[in-house]
Amino acid sequence: DQQVKQNSPSLSVQEGRISILNCDYTNSMFDYFLWYKKYPAEGPTFLISISSIKDKNEDGRFTVFLNKSAKHLSLHIVPSQPGDSAVYFCAASLGNSGGGADGLTFGKGTHLIIQP
Amino acid sequence: DAGITQSPRHKVTETGTPVTLRCHQTENHRYMYWYRQDPGHGLRLIHYSYGVKDTDKGEVSDGYSVSRSKTEDFLLTLESATSSQTSVYFCASSGTDSGNTIYFGEGSWLTVV
Repeated sequence: DQQVKQNSPSLSVQEGRISILNCDYTNSMFDYFLWYKKYPAEGPTFLISISSIKDKNEDGRFTVFLNKSAKHLSLHIVPSQPGDSAVYFCAASLGNSGGGADGLTFGKGTHLIIQP
Repeated sequence: DAGITQSPRHKVTETGTPVTLRCHQTENHRYMYWYRQDPGHGLRLIHYSYGVKDTDKGEVSDGYSVSRSKTEDFLLTLESATSSQTSVYFCASSGTDSGNTIYFGEGSWLTVV
């Protein structure tokens, strides 16, 4: 039973436009959410996070939105750049932090392709 | 990013042989994890550790064991490798000084033939 779902395996966006990656979760006990970016042959790198007490967190070109009632979060990248082409993983954590004893539960990832 | 190194980075082994993957972190993080990444499955937690000699099972722990004798080292052992354990393995760590965000190593590619 998948608790974190990324229903779009891939997404293609033109350079300069907005990229929107979506993530849904089923476990209402999740309290902290993160996005990771992964290039081929490299480990995932932390991108941005949000606590369940917030509905938005912004860091430069990246903004994460959380809708707790819908159990949905999204990552917005504006403007999209060629270097943003990667696989993006949504992750969720029990408790109020991203790490801790239980680790993270990940979605299957969305492959974002930025076209010139 | 946390200083996490994994070894070996690539390994080919035969079915039935034991394999140990090593993870070393230099951040004095309390928590360490082993994940595997497979097509169509994303990242799945194998085992984790919340301190020296304190470990517990994750989502896909069957066929794996771990040990943590020092804060900085976390070993993953496949007692008798099977083809289903062909995967990319990522070590990760987190601690209070990182805001509890989990940071990953670069991965170990394991092929079981």
